[in-house]
Formats: sequence, C-alpha cells, structure tokens
Amino acid sequence: DIQMTQSPSTLSASVGDRVTITCRAGQTISSWLAWYQQKPGKAPKLLIYQASSLGGGVPSRFSGSGSGTEFTLTISSLQPDDFATYYCQHYHSFPVTFGGGTKVEIK
Amino acid sequence: QLQLQESGPRLLKPSETLSLNCTVSGASISGINYYWDWIRQPPGKALEWIGGNRYAGSSYNNPSLKSRVSISLDTYKNQFYLKMNSVTAADTAMYYCVRGVGGFDSHFDYWGQGTLVTVSS
Repeated sequence: DIQMTQSPSTLSASVGDRVTITCRAGQTISSWLAWYQQKPGKAPKLLIYQASSLGGGVPSRFSGSGSGTEFTLTISSLQPDDFATYYCQHYHSFPVTFGGGTKVEIK
Repeated sequence: QLQLQESGPRLLKPSETLSLNCTVSGASISGINYYWDWIRQPPGKALEWIGGNRYAGSSYNNPSLKSRVSISLDTYKNQFYLKMNSVTAADTAMYYCVRGVGGFDSHFDYWGQGTLVTVSS
C-alpha cells in the first residue's frame, strides 16, 4: 500500500491567513491525488482532484499543486468556514489510501 | 442532485455480521463510469477505504480486511450493500457510502452522511 503522510497534523491560523498543507506519497503517484475537507460530525467533501482540479462548487481560494510524491493544498485567505480537518488521498493504484489528516484551528 | 443515505443496525456484538444499505437517489447506479464504495472512519482517526463495486463490473476490497467484506449492487432498488463478517471492536467506526469516479482506484465525489456502527459485547 502507498503511505500518505500529511504535515502538519495541526495548524493554528487566523482569518485571512494564507495556509498551506503538505501531503507526501511513499512512492510516485503522478497527479492522482485528491483533497477533502471534513467538519466535525459531517462527511468529507471533495475539494480537489487530480492534484489541482477544483471540485464542483468549491471556492477559488482553494488550490492544489504538485506531482510525483509531494503535493500541497493552499487556502489563499482563510475564512471562518474553513476551520476543519483536511485529508489527502491517492488513487494511483489499488488500494487507495488516505493521509492522517491536518486539523486547521483558530489561532 | 445525487444523494446517498446509509441504513442498517448500529450496534453489533463481536463475531456478528455487519450489514449496511446505501440508498442512492438522483442518479442510477447502473452507469459504468462510477464505482459504489464504502469508506470507514474509526472515532478520532483517519479514513479507510473498505471496497467498491460497479454495475457489470467486479468488486474490489481492501486487502487489509481480507475476505471479510462483500459489496453488492441492486440496480432495481438503486441500492448497494456492505457485508462484513466476524466483526470486532476494531470495526467500530463511522461508515460512509460514496461514489467513486473512474475505476476501482477512484476519488470520491459524493458521500452519504455516514452511520456510526459500534461493536461491543
């Protein structure tokens, strides 16, 4: 299985901050990477697929980049609605696996 | 708008079989471009892909769950199902039904709200 490692595990930030979350794959996965946002008590929501393509209805302040083994999710200007946990997921090969999550907290 | 809704028993004893249904509305599960999958999340932990199936296709399960898992589709009811036998406390988790885009190695664009299954004696 391909291991997905996210950093940091927790991030404290303020409204308006630029936030970057990193996801590293244990082997190359080309651009087969997705990002999800999960709020407490809710199901995850797809934000980004194929490393940089925005999911339906996702605000443009979210962006993804990277290929190979290193990827980033960037929130250009953090909004109150963005405080949540973020997960990356590879879908390069079977089985798909998720990262451990990054919790974005209010500073 | 596509919607998925999980249902099924929420409290099981060790060694019992977990059986969950997912009712899909707003789209047919007969399309060949999508997989219909299950993902779980133990309390406070990360997500784990369980497996998936596709109309006129094959089912794929996470090897970590060995042969305990079976995922099937009923196109007439527009539902799909998860069965997991010999459950233990380690199977306590929120279970989500989801739509996988593409093949068995998918990303997931629609999620049910989830159902918490607890395994306890």
